[in-house]
Amino acid sequence: GAGVSQTPSNKVTEKGKYVELRCDPISGHTALYWYRQSLGQGPEFLIYFQGTGAADDSGLPNDRFFAVRPEGSVSTLKIQRTERGDSAVYLCASSLNGWTSGKTDTQYFGPGTRLTVL
Amino acid sequence: GEDVEQSLFLSVREGDSSVINCTYTDSSSTYLYWYKQEPGAGLQLLTYIFSNMDMKQDQRLTVLLNKKDKHLSLRIADTQTGDSAIYFCAESSASKIIFGSGTRLSIRP
Repeated sequence: GAGVSQTPSNKVTEKGKYVELRCDPISGHTALYWYRQSLGQGPEFLIYFQGTGAADDSGLPNDRFFAVRPEGSVSTLKIQRTERGDSAVYLCASSLNGWTSGKTDTQYFGPGTRLTVL
Repeated sequence: GEDVEQSLFLSVREGDSSVINCTYTDSSSTYLYWYKQEPGAGLQLLTYIFSNMDMKQDQRLTVLLNKKDKHLSLRIADTQTGDSAIYFCAESSASKIIFGSGTRLSIRP
């Protein structure tokens, strides 16, 4: 596609519910990243996929958060037992090659999914 | 750990130059970035600089890097109302990007 797309654009849920957020990266990009942006803050790294595998998941805040990328393209971020503190904009980014030869290439961001937990 | 610091607000007169400053901590960063975020829009990569460069110019944008002091700046020449946005400084750190909290640039007539 022309750019990174994310669905839904907005998600409102109740505390304790399960949510899934979807990301479609730029076609041909092998690397995919999830970030979370709270109000008034910059994006915070959550997880990085190289192909189908999670190469770095050090940013996931706890075991309620999980992400998959089964075919190396679309990714789903899954949040169990949502809490009010999970409310944020969840951003997805992709890059052509990811982390190779000691450096990372340019990441292109999607518009984000705004998650509100009531 | 890695950290990126930048001032929260900047107000400039239309037509003047804007200079947004940033400090970072990871001396091994290979790339340093400036992203722009407008209300309701996604993050837009404005420009980036390799860590072995001192300066990069791209039309109205000039990026200066002082690697010794770990200081990065973005200069926007002839600032226009369309430049109103939040500007994020960011550094690469292994496979991830570490962002600052953003500088909100407002333009006054």
